[in-house]
Amino acid sequence: GQQVMQIPQYQHVQEGEDFTTYCNSSTTLSNIQWYKQRPGGHPVFLIQLVKSGEVKKQKRLTFQFGEAKKNSSLHITATQTTDVGTYFCAGPLGSSNTGKLIFGQGTTLQVKP
Amino acid sequence: SAVISQKPSRDICQRGTSLTIQCQVDSQVTMMFWYRQQPGQSLTLIATANQGSEATYESGFVIDKFPISRPNLTFSTLTVSNMSPEDSSIYLCSVEGDRASENIQYFGAGTRLSVL
Repeated sequence: GQQVMQIPQYQHVQEGEDFTTYCNSSTTLSNIQWYKQRPGGHPVFLIQLVKSGEVKKQKRLTFQFGEAKKNSSLHITATQTTDVGTYFCAGPLGSSNTGKLIFGQGTTLQVKP
Repeated sequence: SAVISQKPSRDICQRGTSLTIQCQVDSQVTMMFWYRQQPGQSLTLIATANQGSEATYESGFVIDKFPISRPNLTFSTLTVSNMSPEDSSIYLCSVEGDRASENIQYFGAGTRLSVL
């Protein structure tokens, strides 16, 4: 069945260090989304990538969609304690545009001050 | 973005009982989605709640265990029936963004369920 895999599962960094999480899909995706879930919170939408090879930036966060539209990455430059949380990638579940999403396992980021 | 109110925010329940979770949206939406997030895990789609028709369940989830109601375009409920400790999870409802933000999901705060 369709799968979305994310690595690493956990990452502990010192404040100021960079962080990257990688997302790989078993199928080609029409778009990929990234969500952040703070401890005790709910997933909050960060960004959506649609085009092959697309790169988008949000301040210290850089998102990339692979050329084959099967992989993506999120890179955080100079992490801060406010970056703590779990980052999920997600893509459309199935081939039709139904609004359903399949999520990766998530990468939990811990930042030591 | 939609504003979603979900309740209860948390509950502790006894084995064999049922819990109904409510989800209210501040605007009319065609589809509402119910996800489960087991402890330390990712989100898994349970079902899609459509107004005026039966909910559509994903593989591994059945109506008898997770009955869903969708009486109007702003409200839905999910019931977790005959609960066991394995049902301890966060249950989240979500809605899709408007036309300008299709596919994007906005989530309620979730219901944290513990089954003893």
